[in-house]
Formats: sequence, structure tokens, C-alpha cells
Amino acid sequence: QTVVTQEPSFSVSPGGTVTLTCGLSSGSVSTSYYPSWYQLTPGQAPRTLIYSTNTRSSGVPDRFSGSILGNKAALTITGAQADDESDYYCVLYMGSGIWVFGGGTKLTVL
Amino acid sequence: EVQVVESGGGLVQPGRSLRLSCTASGFTFGDYGMSWVRQAPGKGLEWVGFIRSKAYGGTTEYAASVKGRFTISRDDSKSIAYLQMNSLKIEDTAVYYCTRKGRDGYNLVLRHFDLWGRGTLVTVSS
Repeated sequence: QTVVTQEPSFSVSPGGTVTLTCGLSSGSVSTSYYPSWYQLTPGQAPRTLIYSTNTRSSGVPDRFSGSILGNKAALTITGAQADDESDYYCVLYMGSGIWVFGGGTKLTVL
Repeated sequence: EVQVVESGGGLVQPGRSLRLSCTASGFTFGDYGMSWVRQAPGKGLEWVGFIRSKAYGGTTEYAASVKGRFTISRDDSKSIAYLQMNSLKIEDTAVYYCTRKGRDGYNLVLRHFDLWGRGTLVTVSS
């Protein structure tokens, strides 16, 4: 069974930079998995941030960026703001119309 | 406004059935594949299943945790996607989100969810 791994939690200071990662329990994440990232804030619809590894969704500020770092997909937030405090999820496309989400990262800005 | 709105959630006993609806507006529903994603209390997001657009056969895929119990269908004339949930278990308790898969274009392959609803809560309890 494929497991997509994310850091359970992360902390960043306001104005700081943080990189969240998205890996595989077995193997490396590549662009072929079309990694995408979502922000989930209680009471709101999930928000699409990044798709196809590094493409920002419409309206997403450029302080959010995506990449492949080593064998993982990565979401970098540069100049973190208080309202970036949220849960962040990556999802990988496994092929044949199947996706697997990571466990999510709870980001604290303090 | 481009949106999807889920409905049909509620309290249901274990072993019973429930059908969720996802009503789309503001876009040509039939051109898009649709997925359902859920979040159990205190847990992360879990992909539940996917239905392709008719142009790609309208076929479906499911997560192992729901395969054989859940069925996704679509009515393009009404711009609605459905999630039929049978033999419900306590562990199916979750907020269920309807999502739209990004639409492939010329030389463009998209494999992400570009539009989300606010979700509907399903509680399975006796």
C-alpha cells in the first residue's frame, strides 16, 4: 500500500521561510506524480495552492512555490504571514484515476 | 459563480445507506471529471473516488477503503455528481468534499483538484 508522507507539524516565525515536504514510503516523488498542494482551514473549502509540481493556482500569492527537492515534492512559503497558519496537504497522482493524499502538515506561525 | 455544493449528509446508522449530491454551477459540468474526498474527525484528507467525464468513458475509480460499498455516478443534464454510500461503517464518519479535477487541454495534462465545495458531514452512529 502506497503511503504519502508529510511532516505532522511545522513552525515558522512571521516573515520567515518554511519548506514542507511530500514523500513516498517507497520510492521517489517525481513530476510524473503531478504533486499538488492544498490549504485546509477550518470552516472553509479547501484551497488549491500548487499543481503539477510548481504551478500556482489562480489568485495564490507568489510567496507560495512548489518544487521537487531531492526525492520529495516540496511546498515553500516565503515571508510567512499569520493567516498562513493552516493545515497543508499534498496529493500524488498514482495513475489510472487514483490519488493518494499525504497525512497533512499543521503549520504554526509564531 | 463557479462552484460546487454538496448536500445530503446527516446521521445514519451503521449498515445503512446514504446518497450525497454535488451540484455544480458556473461551468460546463459534463466537461470535467469529479472526485469525492473526505476528512474524518481529527484526521487528514482521504481521496474516496473519481468519475471521468463522458468524453473519457464516464468510468469510475475508488479507494480500497470504499470499493464495493460506494458508487459514484453523474447526471450531466442536471450538473450533479452523486456518491452512493452503502453498508456504512462508523469509520465512514467524515466531512465529504466534492472536487473538480482540472481539465486537460491541448498539450496540457492536469491531475489535480481545482475546485472544492465546503463539504457535507456524514455521521455514522447507532
